[in-house]
Amino acid sequence: EPEVTQTPSHQVTQMGQEVILRCVPISNHLYFYWYRQILGQKVEFLVSFYNNEISEKSEIFDDQFSVERPDGSNFTLKIRSTKLEDSAMYFCASRGDRGTRWGETQYFGPGTRLLVL
Amino acid sequence: AQTVTQSQPEMSVQEAETVTLSCTYDTSESDYYLFWYKQPPSRQMILVIRQEAYKQQNATENRFSVNFQKAAKSFSLKISDSQLGDAAMYFCAYRRQGGSEKLVFGKGTKLTVNP
Repeated sequence: EPEVTQTPSHQVTQMGQEVILRCVPISNHLYFYWYRQILGQKVEFLVSFYNNEISEKSEIFDDQFSVERPDGSNFTLKIRSTKLEDSAMYFCASRGDRGTRWGETQYFGPGTRLLVL
Repeated sequence: AQTVTQSQPEMSVQEAETVTLSCTYDTSESDYYLFWYKQPPSRQMILVIRQEAYKQQNATENRFSVNFQKAAKSFSLKISDSQLGDAAMYFCAYRRQGGSEKLVFGKGTKLTVNP
């Protein structure tokens, strides 16, 4: 069964450094998302991406964040200058086209655990 | 704004017994989707079951079923014949149909399964 994959599984970085989190969505999916979960808290939406542009972003997704689909398979989240409060689990998700069976369901990757020191 | 409330921070169940996890939500929309996701200690988010609001029939997936009460804005998850592998955090999530794509999550319920 196709899966969303994410790399790395864990990342430790120093405050102020740039990090890039990578995701490979399910191959025929068209809609891509990033969420984050600070330890012990609920999962929060960051951004959605479709047709090579951001379709929606939350208040959390400020100028320090950016997303990109650099090729036909990868979807990345970049944090330009990390802060301590960026420490969280970051989930990538993707979904297929509305007209397909289960097309409305977002499938999540295993997450990248980011620790900012 | 839509909100999702899970009023039970923790629940426990004996192996092979049945447990029900509660979820309520607040929305002014009439068309939307509801989901239950499971998050085991590995912290991966795994889809358990989904429900389209326009469908009156409750969704079922093997041992998992929901009780969807649209008027009451309630969406509970029933796990039958609980297994040790069911132990996890369970998150209820809402998504409107059309417009915003974002999933709105509840705070989660930690389910413990006792042998």
